[in-house]
Amino acid sequence: KAGVTQTPRYLIKTRGQQVTLSCSPISGHRSVSWYQQTPGQGLQFLFEYFSETQRNKGNFPGRFSGRQFSNSRSEMNVSTLELGDSALYLCASSLGSFTGELFFGEGSRLTVL
Amino acid sequence: AQSVSQHNHHVILSEAASLELGCNYSYGGTVNLFWYVQYPGQHLQLLLKYFSGDPLVKGIKGFEAEFIKSKFSFNLRKPSVQWSDTAEYFCAVISNQAGTALIFGKGTTLSVSS
Repeated sequence: KAGVTQTPRYLIKTRGQQVTLSCSPISGHRSVSWYQQTPGQGLQFLFEYFSETQRNKGNFPGRFSGRQFSNSRSEMNVSTLELGDSALYLCASSLGSFTGELFFGEGSRLTVL
Repeated sequence: AQSVSQHNHHVILSEAASLELGCNYSYGGTVNLFWYVQYPGQHLQLLLKYFSGDPLVKGIKGFEAEFIKSKFSFNLRKPSVQWSDTAEYFCAVISNQAGTALIFGKGTTLSVSS
């Protein structure tokens, strides 16, 4: 069974640009969560989608947004990039919402210059 | 504020030493508790979980954790660590009072020397 796939794996952007990250969950998983991982803050919850609906949102500015498609694939977008947005962005999928049993992808490493 | 706290940022042990990593949470209501592990160069993976029942849960690779409700704690233990246990360990909580999100602690890096 294929795992969670995230693309791109690495990207470099400059301040003010925007970026879109993609996540393909494990087949049959309907919930997709996104996390930002940094050395100082650890894993911070961004948002969770279940059946195309945002179920929960973390404490991030409105520049961070996401969506989920009918095939459960998800994208997140960060607009007007800031230096502090440099991080590893992790996507995780699960069968349902509120299970806590997440399957993580390898992440998309974003560097903002 | 609701949070998950891991007591140690970096733990260094020799092989065969015993391990205990602390985790406390401040969420109320019904909680489900987890430990995740991230080995060098690998993705995060579930180590063990507690939903209900026996507060002592066993996970993969000889790890176990004990849920103490009165102390809001879920500490991870292993009697004898191996070099291959070198990794970053994350405690996580999902609470019915905090929506559907799994909230992580900041992680503890374990370095095991052979």
